[in-house]
Amino acid sequence: NAGVTQTPKFQVLKTGQSMTLQCAQDMNHEYMSWYRQDPGMGLRLIHYSVGAGITDQGEVPNGYNVSRSTTEDFPLRLLSAAPSQTSVYFCASGRAPSRTDTQYFGPGTRLTVL
Amino acid sequence: GDSVTQMEGPVTLSEEAFLTINCTYTATGYPSLFWYVQYPGEGLQLLLKATKADDKGSNKGFEATYRKETTSFHLEKGSVQVSDSAVYFCALAIRGSQGNLIFGKGTKLSVKP
Repeated sequence: NAGVTQTPKFQVLKTGQSMTLQCAQDMNHEYMSWYRQDPGMGLRLIHYSVGAGITDQGEVPNGYNVSRSTTEDFPLRLLSAAPSQTSVYFCASGRAPSRTDTQYFGPGTRLTVL
Repeated sequence: GDSVTQMEGPVTLSEEAFLTINCTYTATGYPSLFWYVQYPGEGLQLLLKATKADDKGSNKGFEATYRKETTSFHLEKGSVQVSDSAVYFCALAIRGSQGNLIFGKGTKLSVKP
């Protein structure tokens, strides 16, 4: 199993550009999510999904879109990048949308917006 | 609202020293509690968890006990190694949250030989 994979590892964008961060898991997990990690802030939830075709907003959803057309993939789209979106982005998956379940994290994408 | 507070870092210890990283929480209902670890340049991985009061999670010599009376989940290890140098995150998930995690800010641990 590859687990949770994310591409790209690094990305530099100019303000106003759009891009998609890719996330895939091969564990047949129902639950997937996106977090951003900023210095001194811990991780904050952007969007999450409890199954194919179902998505919802987390704590900091503004400026981001998601979709879940398959169980395996959960891409995160930045519609018009802003410097405030400079961050490290982590995708995670879990077997079930449950408070007791373990989540598995990808290696992260470091995004810089100039 | 629901939140996690963990001790500020960085924490610097000598090898074989005793480690405690404090974590307290505020939550509605009875959350599950987690410690995740992030090694340099990597994503987070679960270190241990506890899903109900008085449960003790343990892994790789680390342990933490879910204390409902003090709303705490402190991480301890009796003898740290250089390889334990990492950032440690305390997190919770509340009932009805569908597994969404609320994280503390993280504590960076450096262990010197």
